[in-house]
Amino acid sequence: GQSLEQPSEVTAVEGAIVQINCTYQTSGFYGLSWYQQHDGGAPTFLSYNALDGLEETGRFSSFLSRSDSYGYLLLQELQMKDSASYFCAVRDLNYGQNFVFGPGTRLSVLP
Amino acid sequence: KAGVTQTPRYLIKTRGQQVTLSCSPISGHRSVSWYQQTPGQGLQFLFEYFSETQRNKGNFPGRFSGRQFSNSRSEMNVSTLELGDSALYLCASSLVEGSGNTIYFGEGSWLTVV
Repeated sequence: GQSLEQPSEVTAVEGAIVQINCTYQTSGFYGLSWYQQHDGGAPTFLSYNALDGLEETGRFSSFLSRSDSYGYLLLQELQMKDSASYFCAVRDLNYGQNFVFGPGTRLSVLP
Repeated sequence: KAGVTQTPRYLIKTRGQQVTLSCSPISGHRSVSWYQQTPGQGLQFLFEYFSETQRNKGNFPGRFSGRQFSNSRSEMNVSTLELGDSALYLCASSLVEGSGNTIYFGEGSWLTVV
């Protein structure tokens, strides 16, 4: 089986740093992805971790630890436009290699 | 390069009717997958097509079906609509089957069943 867990909501202020965690229960997957979705919009790809460790893309970083079944998305220098939902996802080898998405974390950035 | 295009963007149907949604992938992308997004269930995988063949199917009833054409465009159909089918239906494309973990989503089709 497969299951990804994320906090439902996170609130932070402009300029701050926020970490969105994702824990998973699957015995095999290719890697951990993160997608951003603004209200009324399509999910857009943010970051992908194939291996353990940190991947940095501008203000966004993502981390994966397979031994801990855990990953996170780190957003630095928060801006109002970062207010959106963030989903972690895996291609689960035990689920026909289909994409399985976490429930999403709604980030609210306050002025 | 044009993104993933879905039509129609919004539609309202009556229970018992059927609906067909269309998806044009990014030029050169051969894999198309469909997802249902609802507030209660989140993003759920429906099916994936590659080279006109259904590669994987999610846990949805047989009322949900799809197909892919030789130009990689895809359609999904929902027959005998139920109120619970009201959702945002998202199509995503990728270059090849199982292409890493980067899939590109369209804006989606908002379906309301009344």
